[in-house]
Amino acid sequence: EDKVVQSPLSLVVHEGDTVTLNCSYEVTNFRSLLWYKQEKKAPTFLFMLTSSGIEKKSGRLSSILDKKELFSILNITATQTGDSAIYLCAVNQGAQKLVFGQGTRLTINP
Amino acid sequence: EAGVTQSPTHLIKTRGQQATLRCSPISGHTSVYWYQQALGLGLQFLLWYDEGEERNRGNFPPRFSGRQFPNYSSELNVNALELEDSALYLCASSLALAPDTQYFGPGTRLTVL
Repeated sequence: EDKVVQSPLSLVVHEGDTVTLNCSYEVTNFRSLLWYKQEKKAPTFLFMLTSSGIEKKSGRLSSILDKKELFSILNITATQTGDSAIYLCAVNQGAQKLVFGQGTRLTINP
Repeated sequence: EAGVTQSPTHLIKTRGQQATLRCSPISGHTSVYWYQQALGLGLQFLLWYDEGEERNRGNFPPRFSGRQFPNYSSELNVNALELEDSALYLCASSLALAPDTQYFGPGTRLTVL
């Protein structure tokens, strides 16, 4: 069965801390891995990763994919309260079928 | 640029009824996707429409169906509602040339009593 597993499921840190969110996957077909941020309802796109070892960066967020070990990490440095959200990892298996993990609920305390 | 829009925001139905949810994609996007996010579960892929055709379907029973109109908007129909259909239903859209990048709407919260 295809699955995407995220860890931890929940994380509480203080403002300014650096966090690492994990995503591992076991799927029959792999086209890309995506990260989304879900604050209230609509997930917003963060990154798409297709190649191993190439870091994608956007401000304080960065992500990398390891296709050999079948995982990806999302790093957030110098966290702010506005980073509090659920972070979703998904694998696109092709034919636009996204398999999502359960998400990591990140809470940043001031 | 307007994002993906969905209606209604909330929908309350009783068991056995039918629900119709609507989605308008971002202008220029031809692909529309439907997902179910039930409490405690991750997003589950439901359906993918492109150019008016159903292209792929997740592991959901046939009472979940939909269609895409010539203007690329889409409808999701859920027949014979069951209590476990209560969930947030999210619609997403993408460009035909960038199918991996899906933009999500705010969702419709369906409650089945």
